[in-house]
Amino acid sequence: AQSVTQPDIHITVSEGASLELRCNYSYGATPYLFWYVQSPGQGLQLLLKYFSGDTLVQGIKGFEAEFKRSQSSFNLRKPSVHWSDAAEYFCAVDLLSGGYNKLIFGAGTRLAVHP
Amino acid sequence: IAGITQAPTSQILAAGRRMTLRCTQDMRHNAMYWYRQDLGLGLRLIHYSNTAGTTGKGEVPDGYSVSRANTDDFPLTLASAVPSQTSVYFCASSDSESRATKFFGPGTRLTVL
Repeated sequence: AQSVTQPDIHITVSEGASLELRCNYSYGATPYLFWYVQSPGQGLQLLLKYFSGDTLVQGIKGFEAEFKRSQSSFNLRKPSVHWSDAAEYFCAVDLLSGGYNKLIFGAGTRLAVHP
Repeated sequence: IAGITQAPTSQILAAGRRMTLRCTQDMRHNAMYWYRQDLGLGLRLIHYSNTAGTTGKGEVPDGYSVSRANTDDFPLTLASAVPSQTSVYFCASSDSESRATKFFGPGTRLTVL
């Protein structure tokens, strides 16, 4: 069955430090991959997406993610974290299944940023 | 209106009561979706609609119904609420093109006692 795994439930980093959030997927074909961010009490905002082409994709707020087919991964990175990046981050895979585009989400990684 | 709006923002409901969560989008997107978000489970699809007049079941449809009378509105109804339906509900929409990006509303926090 298709699935998305985010191994880290919580991550804490210091402001200015680099960040990497892990995402692994289980899907037979080349997936369409997304990262969303959810600030406390807010809805989900799209950070970036990968459909095809260059495996390193740039997103908003200085985030980037790299698709690695051999590792079935789509890790999110940021070179220098800001306090405003504290939020929950969701990786998702878009599948065409049963007549609709099914977006399967990971369980999320909650990021805390220390000053 | 810009994007997707949901109402109410939050609601406390007695078990057995009927409740309708409202969702409206002004982007003229053909497809709309309802998700529920539960701690440790991420978001799970309840129902979807590819276009006005059609609806379909997602991963967790039991206890919920939807309708899509027009392009803009996609209400979610709990006919007889149960405590396990306590959750945060998100409405989303997307263009009808394949794999289009989904845009999400701000959510409705529902507590069923």
